[in-house]
Parts: sequence; structure tokens; C-alpha cells
Amino acid sequence: AQSVTQPDIHITVSEGASLELRCNYSYGATPYLFWYVQSPGQGLQLLLKYFSGDTLVQGIKGFEAEFKRSQSSFNLRKPSVHWSDAAEYFCAPMFSGGYNKLIFGAGTRLAVHP
Amino acid sequence: EPEVTQTPSHQVTQMGQEVILRCVPISNHLYFYWYRQILGQKVEFLVSFYNNEISEKSEIFDDQFSVERPDGSNFTLKIRSTKLEDSAMYFCASSETPGEEAYEQYFGPGTRLTVT
Repeated sequence: AQSVTQPDIHITVSEGASLELRCNYSYGATPYLFWYVQSPGQGLQLLLKYFSGDTLVQGIKGFEAEFKRSQSSFNLRKPSVHWSDAAEYFCAPMFSGGYNKLIFGAGTRLAVHP
Repeated sequence: EPEVTQTPSHQVTQMGQEVILRCVPISNHLYFYWYRQILGQKVEFLVSFYNNEISEKSEIFDDQFSVERPDGSNFTLKIRSTKLEDSAMYFCASSETPGEEAYEQYFGPGTRLTVT
């Protein structure tokens, strides 16, 4: 079965600290992989995507993500968090044959302490 | 930068009433989608639409739901007889023509639907 898991429902970090948000998927092949961010009261903004090739991808706002096939993971990272990064982050694979359907994880809510 | 727009931003309706949620996708995009997010829950796929027909729909998208592209710019979601459990944020999204860029979906700000 196709599924996505974001194990951390809520994470709190201090401003300037590094961040890693976890995402694991279950699928027989490599899906297309996306991370979206949702700020309070806002829509969904694409942070970065992975289709193929280099397994470390760069996104907007200083975020990066690494695809690890052996672990079926696509973790999001940022070396130094800013207060404005407080938001909810969604990992969203697109499994083949899904007519471009995104399957969203449950999300990780990030709080940033000053 | 082009963006997806949605109207209204908030819709309050009574149970059993029909509602139409409107979206204007990015102008050169050909694939359109609706997703919803019930408060406190994850975003769920409802339906995808291409070439004037539904490409895929989820189990949520039953006979009470329909989508339409009535003209060259709008994409609508209609709920015929709303239920309390339809209360959610509804997001419209669009993507380009086939190719890797087609898989990058751009989302609108959402319409919050409240059914009383």
C-alpha cells in the first residue's frame, strides 16, 4: 500500500538552531517527492521537490532535503532556523499512476523560540 | 508571479444547501485539482481534472460533488447538499502540461467552508 508518515507531530527549536523534519513513505518504487509549507491562515507553498538525479535538493527559504532510497525517506533540513519559519510542514509524495495526485502526510508543526 | 486565486475566502452555509467554490488557475496550466483539509487534519485529495474531464477522484468525491470548467479561466467545485462534515478548507491547485513541471502543483489560498 502507498503511504506517507511524518513521525513528528510537533517540533520546537530555538532560533538559529538546525532543523530536520522526517518523512518516510511506503511504496514499491521511488515516488516523486515534495515538501510544502503552510503558514497560519495561508495556503500551501512548495518548498522543494525531487524527481530523480542528485539526492540532495535545494529549495526556497534556505531549505534542503535529502532522498535516501534505502530508508524510503525524504527528510527536510535547514541549518539555521528563523522565527519566520514557524509553520506547518507537509511531506507529499506523488505515486506513479496517480494522475498527479499528491498524498499528504499528517504534517509537522514547527514552533520557533526566540 | 502568476498565482492561483480562490473565491470566496470564507463561505458559511446551512446544511442541505448547495455551494459553489470558485478557482482561477494559473493561465497556461491544464491540470486542475481540488483538495480539502478538515480542521486539525491532513490535506486530502478530492479530484483531478484534465481536458474537460475528471482524471481521478477519491472516495470522498461522491455524487454530492461535481467539478466544472465553465469557461477558459474558472474551475469550480460544487457541493449539492452540504453536510456538517463538509466543513473544511478547500484548496484549488493547478499544474502545467506533461513533463516534470506538470508534477509541480501550485495551490490557491483556500476557501474555508463552514456548514451550520
